[in-house]
Parts: sequence; C-alpha cells; structure tokens
Amino acid sequence: SYVLTQPPSVSVAPGETARITCEGNNIGSKIVHWYQQKPGQAPVLVIYYNSDRPSGIPERFSGSKSGNTAPLTISRAEAGDEADYYCQAWDSSSGQAVFGGGTKLTVL
Amino acid sequence: QLQMQESGPGLVKPSETLSLTCTVSGDSISRISYYWGWIRQPPGKGLEWIGSVYYSGSSYYNPSLESRVTISVDTFKNQFSLKLNSVTAADTAVYYCARQGSGNWFDPWGHGTLVTVSS
Repeated sequence: SYVLTQPPSVSVAPGETARITCEGNNIGSKIVHWYQQKPGQAPVLVIYYNSDRPSGIPERFSGSKSGNTAPLTISRAEAGDEADYYCQAWDSSSGQAVFGGGTKLTVL
Repeated sequence: QLQMQESGPGLVKPSETLSLTCTVSGDSISRISYYWGWIRQPPGKGLEWIGSVYYSGSSYYNPSLESRVTISVDTFKNQFSLKLNSVTAADTAVYYCARQGSGNWFDPWGHGTLVTVSS
C-alpha cells in the first residue's frame, strides 16, 4: 500500500520558517492535505488540494510540491504553532486515505 | 456551522463489537459530493483511516480492517455509524468522525471519543 513518510520532529526558532516534508512515491500525481493537531485536540485541516488554505488559517501556512516531496511551510513561526502535523493523500490504486506518520513541531 | 459529535461506549471487552455513532449538525448528511468518514488514533500514535460512507449507503474501507468493519448511514437522524467486530487491545484508540470532501480531505472533525478494549 501507499506510504507517506514524514520526519518525526522539526524544530524552529520563533519568527523563523519551519519546513515539514512529506515524501511518497510519485507524490506529484497525488493531492496532498495537511492537518495540525494540538495536544488533546482533534486534527484541524490547514492545507487542502496541495496548497489551498481553509478560511481562518493564517497565510503563514503554505503547501507545495517538488519532486517526490510535498512540504508544509510555516513562516514566522509562533509558539502557538507547536503541534503535530500530518500529511494525507488518497491512494486510488487501493482506494484508501493514507496519512503520514506525523511530525512534532517544536518552536524554541 | 457544521459540527460532528461521536458517541458510544468508552469500554469494550475483547472479542466483542465496538459501536459508535456520529451525529452531524448544521448541515444535511445527504448533501451531494461529501462522504462521511471514521479515523482512529491509538494513544501516542498517528492517524489511521478506517472507512467512509456516502448518504446513499455506499461505503469503502481500509483494506487492513475491511473484514471487521461496517459503516452505515441514517439520513433521517443525520447520523452515520461504525461497527468494528472481534476487537482486541490493538483497537484501543481515540475514534474520530469527519466530513470527507470531494478532494478526499477531512474537515471538520469531531472531538473524538476514546474507546478502550479491556476485560
């Protein structure tokens, strides 16, 4: 089955830019979405259709694709951005939603 | 504003059936182009998609769980339900329901409900 790979953790200084990668075979042909999950809370959609932001999500959050990677970029990182981030795609060959393993973002 | 709320027992015995219901408020579950999904998260671990259902009753499941899962919909009550049979401790998780959009994104999510499998 299709696998999405994320780094377990990423650290960023306040005000700097964080980049969380999501790798998968031929990911360029897939539509990728991103979720933010803070401790004890449900996931929240922050990027859909690779690079679109739902209403209420700051412009500091952006998504893109490059080669076999679909990175989530968080500009001007804030303490409130500390969370786990998950990428997700649909694997049409097996007919299922697939999530990456998640990345813990630390702002320090 | 669309809201999702999971409900069901928080404790299930091994080998029995886990049953949860998701109540949708703020919109009709019969709205065209949306599926309705279940996702779970074992304590301290990542997210796993369980399956999704359309208002017509058409459903599809994670191949790794397909033999044990049934997801159904009740349009009159604006609810959809999950049944997972023959549970083991490995099925202990927070179970979320969510709307699944046409691009197969999930939004919004319910708050989640912890189901523990233990005797």
